[in-house]
Amino acid sequence: QSALTQPRSVSGSPGQSVTISCTGSSSDVGGYNYVSWYQQHPGKAPKLMIYDVNKRPSGVPDRFSGSKSGNTASLTISGLQAEDEADYYCCSYEGSYTFDYVFGTGTKVTVL
Amino acid sequence: QVQLQESGPGLVKPSETLSLTCTVSGGSVSSGSYYWSWIRQPPGKGLEWIGYLYYSGSTNYNPSLKSRVTISVDTSKNQFSLKLSSVTAADTAVYYCARDRGSSSSPLFDYWGQGTLVTVSS
Repeated sequence: QSALTQPRSVSGSPGQSVTISCTGSSSDVGGYNYVSWYQQHPGKAPKLMIYDVNKRPSGVPDRFSGSKSGNTASLTISGLQAEDEADYYCCSYEGSYTFDYVFGTGTKVTVL
Repeated sequence: QVQLQESGPGLVKPSETLSLTCTVSGGSVSSGSYYWSWIRQPPGKGLEWIGYLYYSGSTNYNPSLKSRVTISVDTSKNQFSLKLSSVTAADTAVYYCARDRGSSSSPLFDYWGQGTLVTVSS
């Protein structure tokens, strides 16, 4: 079971948009609409930001959006704000071999 | 408001068994609407899903840990627990418990405990 691939870091200025990719395979990201995204500030527990590829839980700003194309899911943060600086992780169901959950490698978002 | 709280030893010796408990308040582990997971994060590294339990007692584990992991539930105490046997330094991590309100195939961890650091060292 290999972790999903994310860029190590992305950065942007306040007000700009950044996109984080999450690449897997047809057995996980590409095969199911079961991708979620989590935001983690230092020393804190992760927070659910997106589930089922593009659904936002109540309370999450609409600046956060999710999408998927083929084996790659993406999280876009529009109108970047200082408080968005954090680590972000994707998570997908793996339904062909292990039938479990796999997280991405994590991406550090820096607000310049 | 649902709250989860991990508890257990912060230091475990190599080859011994790590045991943690997650106490749930504001909700019931007996609810058929949720799965209950353990997730860990080694210092400075990413998240790793360990496994989940359904109120009925059915479980699903990360294949890489399956031979060493047991997740169980105590509905009378509204708790679920993690046991990880034959630990090594590689098992040193912050361990989180989390509620999964997705199906058995949709990772939807909407509530998390604060996490507890477990160090494996002699």
